[in-house]
Amino acid sequence: NAGVTQTPKFQVLKTGQSMTLQCAQDMNHEYMSWYRQDPGMGLRLIHYSVGAGITDQGEVPNGYNVSRSTTEDFPLRLLSAAPSQTSVYFCASSYSNRGPFNEQFFGPGTRLTVL
Amino acid sequence: SQKIEQNSEALNIQEGKTATLTCNYTNYSPAYLQWYRQDPGRGPVFLLLIRENEKEKRKERLKVTFDTTLKQSLFHITASQPADSATYLCAPTADRGSTLGRLYFGRGTQLTVWP
Repeated sequence: NAGVTQTPKFQVLKTGQSMTLQCAQDMNHEYMSWYRQDPGMGLRLIHYSVGAGITDQGEVPNGYNVSRSTTEDFPLRLLSAAPSQTSVYFCASSYSNRGPFNEQFFGPGTRLTVL
Repeated sequence: SQKIEQNSEALNIQEGKTATLTCNYTNYSPAYLQWYRQDPGRGPVFLLLIRENEKEKRKERLKVTFDTTLKQSLFHITASQPADSATYLCAPTADRGSTLGRLYFGRGTQLTVWP
């Protein structure tokens, strides 16, 4: 199993550009989520999905869109990049979102810089 | 809103000693609490989950306690080694009466074990 994969590893954007961060998992997990990690702020939840076709907002959803057309894939779209979105982005998945079954498997991260 | 505090941003100890990391939370009552390890440039990796009715849980050199009265979890690494140097994150899970076991992460404690 590859686990959770993310592409690209690094990305530099100019303000106003759009892009999609890719995330895929091969563990048949129903729950997937996107976090951003900033120095001194810890991991903050952007969006999450409890299954194909179902998504919802986390703590910091503004400026991001998600969709979940398959169990495996959960892309994160930046609509119009801003310097405040400079961060490291982690995708995570878990077997379930219920209690003892929501051990999170994280991807390697995407380091995004917006100029 | 939920608040999670992890003791000091950095903890330095000598090899062989016991490292103790603290996680305090306020404004909610998690039924579970998870601990993760994060190495530089990598995604977090799950270590342990403890339930509210488990006062203590062990895994090899790791021990976690969960005191719901104090709203606190302690994470111990005994006989610490330089390879234990990493950032450790706690994540109390908000699963009480909810269908969504969302994770909220602390900012982490950076542990350095020196020879």
